[in-house]
Amino acid sequence: GQNIDQPTEMTATEGAIVQINCTYQTSGFNGLFWYQQHAGEAPTFLSYNVLDGLEEKGRFSSFLSRSKGYSYLLLKELQMKDSASYLCAVLDSNYQLIWGAGTKLIIKP
Amino acid sequence: ETGVTQTPRHLVMGMTNKKSLKCEQHLGHNAMYWYKQSAKKPLELMFVYNFKEQTENNSVPSRFSPECPNSSHLVLHLPPLQPEDSALYLCASSQEGTVGELFFGEGSRLTVL
Repeated sequence: GQNIDQPTEMTATEGAIVQINCTYQTSGFNGLFWYQQHAGEAPTFLSYNVLDGLEEKGRFSSFLSRSKGYSYLLLKELQMKDSASYLCAVLDSNYQLIWGAGTKLIIKP
Repeated sequence: ETGVTQTPRHLVMGMTNKKSLKCEQHLGHNAMYWYKQSAKKPLELMFVYNFKEQTENNSVPSRFSPECPNSSHLVLHLPPLQPEDSALYLCASSQEGTVGELFFGEGSRLTVL
């Protein structure tokens, strides 16, 4: 079966750096996506990786290793507004999005 | 109006009445989706419409009935439901060629008593 694993919850301190990991086992691979979802709000697209390596976008970076079935989302200079759930999703060989259950990130002052 | 809008935002229904959830996208996209989001579970894809034609129905119970009157609107008709159907129902849209980059509405929180 297809599976996406990510930690259920993480806690970090304002101003620090946090890394949210995602491992996947899917039927084929056509890209990996990260979404952010604040409580009570819509998920919003953060990043897309299809090739190995690091993609940087401001304070957020996303890394992919296709051979290891592994990605991480790196958040730097954490702010209180970064408290949210972070969803990892993989586009499989049928161009279906397979979702993880999300990681709830709690930022403490 | 911009983005994807869903109504109602909150809905409480008993196990005997019928309601509908509505979605409208103002992005000119040609694919629209219904997802179910339950606490601590992955998003579950329910229905996909491309150019108004339904292309996916991922083992959703037949009691759910979608409708796509045009490429900008989606409706999810809700017959009498079960308490386990309580969840956040999310509508999303995407452009052909960028199928993984979805634009979501804020969802309709459904509670079945």
